[in-house]
Amino acid sequence: ETGVTQTPRHLVMGMTNKKSLKCEQHLGHNAMYWYKQSAKKPLELMFVYNFKEQTENNSVPSRFSPECPNSSHLFLHLHTLQPEDSALYLCASSDTRASPEAFFGQGTRLTVV
Amino acid sequence: QKEVEQDPGPLSVPEGAIVSLNCTYSNSAFQYFMWYRQYSRKGPELLMYTYSSGNKEDGRFTAQVDKSSKYISLFIRDSQPSDSATYLCATDTGRRALTFGSGTRLQVQP
Repeated sequence: ETGVTQTPRHLVMGMTNKKSLKCEQHLGHNAMYWYKQSAKKPLELMFVYNFKEQTENNSVPSRFSPECPNSSHLFLHLHTLQPEDSALYLCASSDTRASPEAFFGQGTRLTVV
Repeated sequence: QKEVEQDPGPLSVPEGAIVSLNCTYSNSAFQYFMWYRQYSRKGPELLMYTYSSGNKEDGRFTAQVDKSSKYISLFIRDSQPSDSATYLCATDTGRRALTFGSGTRLQVQP
């Protein structure tokens, strides 16, 4: 295990549903990230939180809403998604003071129907 | 143009072969160069990273960066079936926000 835990592992939701993805890290890191991984496309950085403050939002549609209540927990709130939002959503954490290495969770496989 | 280009493969080699995986990048500001390995249904895990140009070796794995040609390589010696995975190159300007290639799927045949 990497020390980064994501739940749920799989999620199927309708376009009108509201759901949340959860990420927890036990590594004492100061930064947390959400990435989107679609088939045959590079991992896309969505959001970055450093010491609980959002430092980056890569033009992500407002139907994705991140929340970082403390440096160990990160949420991604989802509402009125589209089928093209179906993907693997990966959470990562890093200690930005130490090294560029990001530790990834196992991801949530999201299917929007 | 993508910031990091990577041949998606798949690349199939016999066990024991030397594997060469490559990426090119366009942003001169990139300082850190990483290789991640991703098994099916798992998140990526870091294999190794280098800072600026040069080589780095870790067991059967060697990472090479040539900043003059903006070329990143990973060599795997004596490849094993357990090396079968998708290999992702990634770069960082120092902002700690990684830019990834699309990944190369490697299959090592026993």
